[in-house]
Amino acid sequence: AQSVAQPEDQVNVAEGNPLTVKCTYSVSGNPYLFWYVQYPNRGLQFLLKYITGDNLVKGSYGFEAEFNKSQTSFHLKKPSALVSDSALYFCAVRDRDTGFQKLVFGTGTRLLVSP
Amino acid sequence: DTGVSQDPRHKITKRGQNVTFRCDPISEHNRLYWYRQTLGQGPEFLTYFQNEAQLEKSRLLSDRFSAERPKGSFSTLEIQRTEQGDSAMYLCASSLGAEGFYGYTFGSGTRLTVV
Repeated sequence: AQSVAQPEDQVNVAEGNPLTVKCTYSVSGNPYLFWYVQYPNRGLQFLLKYITGDNLVKGSYGFEAEFNKSQTSFHLKKPSALVSDSALYFCAVRDRDTGFQKLVFGTGTRLLVSP
Repeated sequence: DTGVSQDPRHKITKRGQNVTFRCDPISEHNRLYWYRQTLGQGPEFLTYFQNEAQLEKSRLLSDRFSAERPKGSFSTLEIQRTEQGDSAMYLCASSLGAEGFYGYTFGSGTRLTVV
């Protein structure tokens, strides 16, 4: 079965500092991995995805994530945080080899960037 | 057509009533998904359509829930005899490609409150 763990309910960082939001996953086959961001009372906005190829994936708004197969991790990073990055971040996985289409999401990590 | 549209944005209903939500995917996307998100949780998969065929259903989709995509375009999700536990944000997403390679685009959701 697929699963995603986001071990931190909240991450606090000062504006201008680097940020990391952690994600680990479990699938029986090979993963598709995604990061989404959610603002209050809104749907999910796509940030970036790992399908295949380079382990370092660059996405929207200066975010990037590194796929680490041995550690089954896909941590989200940004070199310099902005106050406007404050939101709820979700990591998601899909098992590429099963043929099933569903995404499995983590419980989310709230990012709070202070001025 | 720049995104996934969901209607209504908010729905308040009395317990025991039936409700129906509509989702209009991105026009060229042949795959459509419904998810449910409760407070403090990540989205949970409900069902998946490829064109008009419903190919995957979660065990979360009880007999009171039914989804259709009659012409392979818009989709409806109906909940019969609503219960307070049905209160949640219902999210629709669409995608293009045999392997979901292009990722999933989510709508802003329909927030259901059962009183």
